[in-house]
Amino acid sequence: QKEVEQDPGPLSVPEGAIVSLNCTYSNSAFQYFMWYRQYSRKGPELLMYTYSSGNKEDGRFTAQVDKSSKYISLFIRDSQPSDSATYLCAMTARGFGNEKLTFGTGTRLTIIP
Amino acid sequence: KAGVTQTPRYLIKTRGQQVTLSCSPISGHRSVSWYQQTPGQGLQFLFEYFSETQRNKGNFPGRFSGRQFSNSRSEMNVSTLELGDSALYLCASSEGLAGVRDTQYFGPGTRLTVL
Repeated sequence: QKEVEQDPGPLSVPEGAIVSLNCTYSNSAFQYFMWYRQYSRKGPELLMYTYSSGNKEDGRFTAQVDKSSKYISLFIRDSQPSDSATYLCAMTARGFGNEKLTFGTGTRLTIIP
Repeated sequence: KAGVTQTPRYLIKTRGQQVTLSCSPISGHRSVSWYQQTPGQGLQFLFEYFSETQRNKGNFPGRFSGRQFSNSRSEMNVSTLELGDSALYLCASSEGLAGVRDTQYFGPGTRLTVL
């Protein structure tokens, strides 16, 4: 079983809809959670970064972390065609020595105009 | 500021050969991390270099190695290539103060195909 599970999609929604993207994880040591967006033929770019349970909002994006359920979500409000991309969750623990970022496999999202 | 650059962008090799990939970080960034991205496994962490020293390492065999130079530029080497090494190799740079917890800025990647 992978440490981080993410539904690969693909997910297609009409423009203006609210999008919900989710990841679950098994390692209770994970404390830092990120969401990356990757357009085709590009490297990932950081969208949201949080390290506490609860919600964090940035414009149309809201990141939600529930450490008790080992579940994180990214919500996109008023979705736009430019939001069409692959969304990757990533997380890491604060360790002594070897730290690494563990990614989900990504969800491919298409916003239909 | 210029972003992270990777060379070459595309590479075709045959099994058993070795390959070296190059990464130039954002100016002022001291940490460089390498990742392998494949459709089946997704993005997997290879290693991170900071001030010319490997600071963190993923779970890849010793055929995968890297180094960092005094100007923070980094190279990754894969020896004795296998078909399964075909992937997009991504480099990311960061300021380096908090290891992989720092915001990572990714390059466009090098697409390696092993025949």
